Amino acid sequence: DIQMTQSPSSVSASVGDRVTITCRASQGINNWLAWYQQKPGKAPKLLISAASSLQTGLPSRFSGSGSGTDFTLTISSLQPEDCATYHCQQANSFPWTFGQGTKVEIK
Amino acid sequence: EVQLVESGGGLVQPGGSLRLSCSASGFTFSSYWMSWVRQAPGKGLECVANIKPDGSEKYYVDSVKGRFTISRDNAKNSLYLQMISLRAEDTAFYYCARQVVGATDYWGQGTLVTVSS
Repeated sequence: DIQMTQSPSSVSASVGDRVTITCRASQGINNWLAWYQQKPGKAPKLLISAASSLQTGLPSRFSGSGSGTDFTLTISSLQPEDCATYHCQQANSFPWTFGQGTKVEIK
Repeated sequence: EVQLVESGGGLVQPGGSLRLSCSASGFTFSSYWMSWVRQAPGKGLECVANIKPDGSEKYYVDSVKGRFTISRDNAKNSLYLQMISLRAEDTAFYYCARQVVGATDYWGQGTLVTVSS
């Protein structure tokens, strides 16, 4: 199975700060990488697919980049409503696997 | 509006069995890969099983192979997960989810399975 390693496990930043989360795959996954946002007690919500395609209607402060084994989720200007746990997932081969999650908090 | 509603979770003893169901609406269920994803309390996400639209292909994570079976009834717009020989480490919220190319785009609200004596 492909292992996904996310870092950091948690980040605390101020409103307006730029936040970057990385995800590394144990082998190449082309651009088959998705990012999800999960708030407490809720199901995950798809943010980005195919490494960089932002889902319709979501704020442009979220962006994704990368290919191969290294990927990045960037929040360009952190807002209070962005407090959540963010998960990456590879969709290159079954079983689809997730990173361990990154908790984003407001400082 | 896409809706996925899970049911069937609950408390079960180690070694016991449980069958989860997911009722789908708002889309052409028979056209989509579907999956079950679980999340132990306070932990990360784990995709335990995937099934092709016609049910002809199924994939499982190693930790559930031989114990869990994913199935679907396209006539009833329903997805199932039969779980046997349950262990304490299977305790988790189980989400029914719809797959598209390269991502999981809709999730149910989850159903809690607790394995404990």
